Amino acid sequence: NAGVTQTPKFQVLKTGQSMTLQCAQDMNHNSMYWYRQDPGMGLRLIYYSASEGTTDKGEVPNGYNVSRLNKREFSLRLESAAPSQTSVYFCASSEIGTGGTYGYTFGSGTRLTVV
Amino acid sequence: GENVEQHPSTLSVQEGDSAVIKCTYSDSASNYFPWYKQELGKRPQLIIDIRSNVGEKKDQRIAVTLNKTAKHFSLHITETQPEDSAVYFCAALSGYALNFGKGTSLLVTP
Repeated sequence: NAGVTQTPKFQVLKTGQSMTLQCAQDMNHNSMYWYRQDPGMGLRLIYYSASEGTTDKGEVPNGYNVSRLNKREFSLRLESAAPSQTSVYFCASSEIGTGGTYGYTFGSGTRLTVV
Repeated sequence: GENVEQHPSTLSVQEGDSAVIKCTYSDSASNYFPWYKQELGKRPQLIIDIRSNVGEKKDQRIAVTLNKTAKHFSLHITETQPEDSAVYFCAALSGYALNFGKGTSLLVTP
């Protein structure tokens, strides 16, 4: 039981390049999330998916797109990376959408640097 | 949207002392309040949570209290140990997602 798996763990991009961060969970959770973490800013919500087939914007969605590919997978895409997107990205899942356990399970994070 | 304020941003205590971290929230509909611990370079880990129908919850050395009227909740760590040193985040559920405070860096010195 792997929990929440994120890939890649590290990435360096040049300004303007694109990339997709992958996230998969094997806990049969309905809800999935993408957060970014910057020093002194806590965890800020980028996008979330309350259930398969739905996605919604969070606090800081500009410059990102998401796809809920199926119940297990939720990807985050940067179409044209900017230095301001240098951050640590965390994927998480929970049963909030089904009224089950509310606590998040986090992935191990992706450290992204845009130069 | 929900706004979660967390204080203090840094906290230094001697081993064996108690530590208290406080959070306030703005969404009166929030009904779930977890606390996460994050060690350097690691993912956040849930350490304790409380729902709005409960005023206090304990788990060994850690406890959380909730005052729904005042919209604030607190984390209490007793008999602190060096391994408690980490960043702690409070959060409040708004709709389907958690909104996090900015974190408290706790340092426990031997």
